Amino acid sequence: DQQVKQNSPSLSVQEGRISILNCDYTNSMFDYFLWYKKYPAEGPTFLISISSIKDKNEDGRFTVFLNKSAKHLSLHIVPSQPGDSAVYFCAASEGNTGFQKLVFGTGTRLLVSP
Amino acid sequence: DAGITQSPRHKVTETGTPVTLRCHQTENHRYMYWYRQDPGHGLRLIHYSYGVKDTDKGEVSDGYSVSRSKTEDFLLTLESATSSQTSVYFCAISGIDVGGYTFGSGTRLTVV
Repeated sequence: DQQVKQNSPSLSVQEGRISILNCDYTNSMFDYFLWYKKYPAEGPTFLISISSIKDKNEDGRFTVFLNKSAKHLSLHIVPSQPGDSAVYFCAASEGNTGFQKLVFGTGTRLLVSP
Repeated sequence: DAGITQSPRHKVTETGTPVTLRCHQTENHRYMYWYRQDPGHGLRLIHYSYGVKDTDKGEVSDGYSVSRSKTEDFLLTLESATSSQTSVYFCAISGIDVGGYTFGSGTRLTVV
């Protein structure tokens, strides 16, 4: 029973173009969503988050969109750079501070080619 | 600047042997977590702690135990390692007023 799903295991884009990574969730109690980026042999690092009271959050080249009615969120990277090549994990939780039991998706491997 | 460190970084062990992985934090965060990462499964929660001596099970806790005798240390023990426990293990911490986790660099465990 996967509560957070990333249906695309991999994505390839060219440098300078937009990368769109998608994530779906099933638990309507989730109200905080995060994206983590992971390079090989390193731990995941926080990228961007969004609370359910918003539908968009932007941080530089990264924007996360949340569609609560569809239980869907997406991460847009514009413009994509070769250094963005990594595995991206979507995560969700109930609550955004204190104790959080993050539920992760299976990850999407992004490859940005020069 | 690592506020969270895991040891060892790599370990190969034989089936049936006990193994302990260590997570050490210098952030004084209350909450600590152990996850495992496997292809096709993403990151799955093994155990977590919400304070010294307060721990609970996650979704894949069978075959694992944990202990937290100090705020800064969270130990994960495989009582009798099996090949299905070959994985990359990540420790994470979270604070009271900060959303999300900070992860350690991981321990790659191979059970042969």
